[in-house]
Amino acid sequence: EAGVAQSPRYKIIEKRQSVAFWCNPISGHATLYWYQQILGQGPKLLIQFQNNGVVDDSQLPKDRFSAERLKGVDSTLKIQPAKLEDSAVYLCASSFDGSYLEQYFGPGTRLTVT
Amino acid sequence: EDQVTQSPEALRLQEGESSSLNCSYTVSGLRGLFWYRQDPGKGPEFLFTLYSAGEEKEKERLKATLTKKESFLHITAPKPEDSATYLCAVQETGFGNEKLTFGTGTRLTIIP
Repeated sequence: EAGVAQSPRYKIIEKRQSVAFWCNPISGHATLYWYQQILGQGPKLLIQFQNNGVVDDSQLPKDRFSAERLKGVDSTLKIQPAKLEDSAVYLCASSFDGSYLEQYFGPGTRLTVT
Repeated sequence: EDQVTQSPEALRLQEGESSSLNCSYTVSGLRGLFWYRQDPGKGPEFLFTLYSAGEEKEKERLKATLTKKESFLHITAPKPEDSATYLCAVQETGFGNEKLTFGTGTRLTIIP
């Protein structure tokens, strides 16, 4: 079974630029999560989708971050404009039915904002 | 606000030297406590979930235990391949599927 795919794996941008990350979940998984993991910290949930609807985006900085999952499959997370403090690894995860017991993570995208 | 604290931040052990990692938490009600393993450049990998005080779960050289205020991840006779960062996370009780709050992790290094 193929795992969660993310691209790009690495991205370096200057502050105030925009960036987008892509995630393709495990086939058949209805729930998709985006996490932010700052160096030396644990992952923090940014947004959770159930199919193409948002379940939880309470920790998403909506003035600069946006995410979509238009067809209920793959998803895009965008940052516009980026700040230095956005430097982090952005992890995508998916699960079949929203259960954290069956949550599988992708390898992440490492973003550096200079 | 929920708080999850892991200690130590880093731990170096000789191969075969057993030890324990600690995860203490403060939540109003615990639905579950999760342990993950994270290798460099990879996403976290699920290990265990514990639900009530006194519960224990084992997987190979790892055993997780839970009390009302903390959880321990015991590693017995570790091997170099056990080197990784170990994260714990708590899920609070609530009306929905409450999100996980992660600790900062313990970076474990096993020296051959």
